[in-house]
Amino acid sequence: KQEVTQIPAALSVPEGENLVLNCSFTDSAIYNLQWFRQDPGKGLTSLLLIQSSQREQTSGRLNASLDKSSGRSTLYIAASQPGDSATYLCAGAGSYQLTFGKGTKLSVIP
Amino acid sequence: DTAVSQTPKYLVTQMGNDKSIKCEQNLGHDTMYWYKQDSKKFLKIMFSYNNKELIINETVPNRFSPKSPDKAHLNLHINSLELGDSAVYFCASSHQNSPLHFGNGTRLTVT
Repeated sequence: KQEVTQIPAALSVPEGENLVLNCSFTDSAIYNLQWFRQDPGKGLTSLLLIQSSQREQTSGRLNASLDKSSGRSTLYIAASQPGDSATYLCAGAGSYQLTFGKGTKLSVIP
Repeated sequence: DTAVSQTPKYLVTQMGNDKSIKCEQNLGHDTMYWYKQDSKKFLKIMFSYNNKELIINETVPNRFSPKSPDKAHLNLHINSLELGDSAVYFCASSHQNSPLHFGNGTRLTVT
């Protein structure tokens, strides 16, 4: 059964800093790996999806990598901004379901 | 033109009552889901439907009964509500290896 772990659980950084969020998964037989953002009291917004055959995906200041052999993914955020403050969740896609980590709560201090 | 919409947004009810949450998606996706987010913010799959057929039922009490009248709708009915059912319930949809699209959630409070 897939288990997804995210480290750290919370992270606080000053504005402008580059940062990396970590995600690990136990079952490498995933179809894809997805990163989401959740703002307080809101639903989840998809940020990036990396197919199992890909190594990374980029969108603006965000870059996500995937290493299936080691069961790891990272989300790199460049030049962080206060508006990036949110909880970031990764999820591994199996057959007809995503298994989520518990998220990393990011606070970017102005 | 909301992609995944669920109603109501808030639901406060007493123990023992029966309630329903509705979900609709206008994205043309063939798979819909219900997720539960507990007080510790952990998201867990409850049900997954593909083309109106139940695919996944993850050890959810049978007081919870999903119903999919068509591919665009997946409703969740809950009988005999218990205190432990209090959580935020998210509906989501996707299509073949594409990103999940989530609704804004229904915050259920059982008193």
